[in-house]
Amino acid sequence: SQQGEEDPQALSIQEGENATMNCSYKTSINNLQWYRQNSGRGLVHLILIRSNEREKHSGRLRVTLDTSKKSSSLLITASRAADTASYFCATHPNTGNQFYFGTGTSLTVIP
Amino acid sequence: DGGITQSPKYLFRKEGQNVTLSCEQNLNHDAMYWYRQDPGQGLRLIYYSQIVNDFQKGDIAEGYSVSREKKESFPLTVTSAQKNPTAFYLCASKPPGQGYGYTFGSGTRLTVV
Repeated sequence: SQQGEEDPQALSIQEGENATMNCSYKTSINNLQWYRQNSGRGLVHLILIRSNEREKHSGRLRVTLDTSKKSSSLLITASRAADTASYFCATHPNTGNQFYFGTGTSLTVIP
Repeated sequence: DGGITQSPKYLFRKEGQNVTLSCEQNLNHDAMYWYRQDPGQGLRLIYYSQIVNDFQKGDIAEGYSVSREKKESFPLTVTSAQKNPTAFYLCASKPPGQGYGYTFGSGTRLTVV
């Protein structure tokens, strides 16, 4: 399978704390993306990091990419109850036209 | 506002029936995709289309069919050959090029009764 794997599967933190989730993948990639999914809804694109980038920021989100280890992390700083959702990484391999999604991390932020 | 509209939100299918899920976008995106989501398994690609009148099978195409007669529309038919169709179905579209992410619809939950 070319799916990525997120770790941990579930994460519960207090509001105001930072949340870190990780994604590992198997093939060489062109880019890696992170998405958020609220329960019963579609996915929302959060951030894209290209294979030649090591770190990217967007608001309270920080994404890192280590292509030598085939891994990425998503850090959400100063978490809020509204950040409660599932988070998925998706990899775009160097060949082919599709993305491959991981199994997701379920984040719960307790007010 | 531009976006992707999936309908219906909930759909119930009897054994042996074909059902069609609608996906319409007004983003002027060439590429459109159908994913299936089951609990604990992430998203799996069913079919995708890079251009009108052309589409390719994804990883789990068996029991499904699609058409792409218009740029804006990419309907998915779940046929009676799909033995376990109960799932959450997501449609997505993407602009050309490798620097863009998907825009997703809000999904259709299909249940076999």
